[in-house]
Amino acid sequence: AQSVAQPEDQVNVAEGNPLTVKCTYSVSGNPYLFWYVQYPNRGLQFLLKYITGDNLVKGSYGFEAEFNKSQTSFHLKKPSALVSDSALYFCAWDGSGNTGKLIFGQGTTLQVKP
Amino acid sequence: DTGVSQDPRHKITKRGQNVTFRCDPISEHNRLYWYRQTLGQGPEFLTYFQNEAQLEKSRLLSDRFSAERPKGSFSTLEIQRTEQGDSAMYLCASSLLAVGETQYFGPGTRLLVL
Repeated sequence: AQSVAQPEDQVNVAEGNPLTVKCTYSVSGNPYLFWYVQYPNRGLQFLLKYITGDNLVKGSYGFEAEFNKSQTSFHLKKPSALVSDSALYFCAWDGSGNTGKLIFGQGTTLQVKP
Repeated sequence: DTGVSQDPRHKITKRGQNVTFRCDPISEHNRLYWYRQTLGQGPEFLTYFQNEAQLEKSRLLSDRFSAERPKGSFSTLEIQRTEQGDSAMYLCASSLLAVGETQYFGPGTRLLVL
């Protein structure tokens, strides 16, 4: 089945250290991939997306992600984590390319400790 | 505020009652999506509209669920004869009409069925 997977339920990192939140995909066709962040009791906020072009995508709040076709991955990264980055992160795939409906991974909780 | 808005933000109801949620998308967005998110899970697609036409419904959307977007602007999601399993966060998102367009999410309506 076509899907995206987030292999880690939780990632812990110290403030100031680099962070990586992993996402792998198993889809056919063009993999339109997205990252969203969700704070407690809030909706999802868009961070960045890969549609085509440069494999390194830069997004909001200093986040970036690298599309790697050979490893079928789209990991989210940030060079220096902030305590305020602590939240739930979702990788998503545009499941159809025509309807735009998103298929989400199960989410990764990022905990940044001071 | 020109983002996606949802009303109410919270709803507590008794099993068997009907509930209706409203979503107001970003004004120029043609597409409107409904998702359901249960605790600890990623959002799951329910249905979407392109202007006033409902073009796809998930198998998750039983016959107790109905959604409308009568004038291609706001949308309503109604759940009849609510069950405890309907307890979840209901998220609305909107986007422009093009492949790979970003979906912008509202804050969600949290439903608790007692």
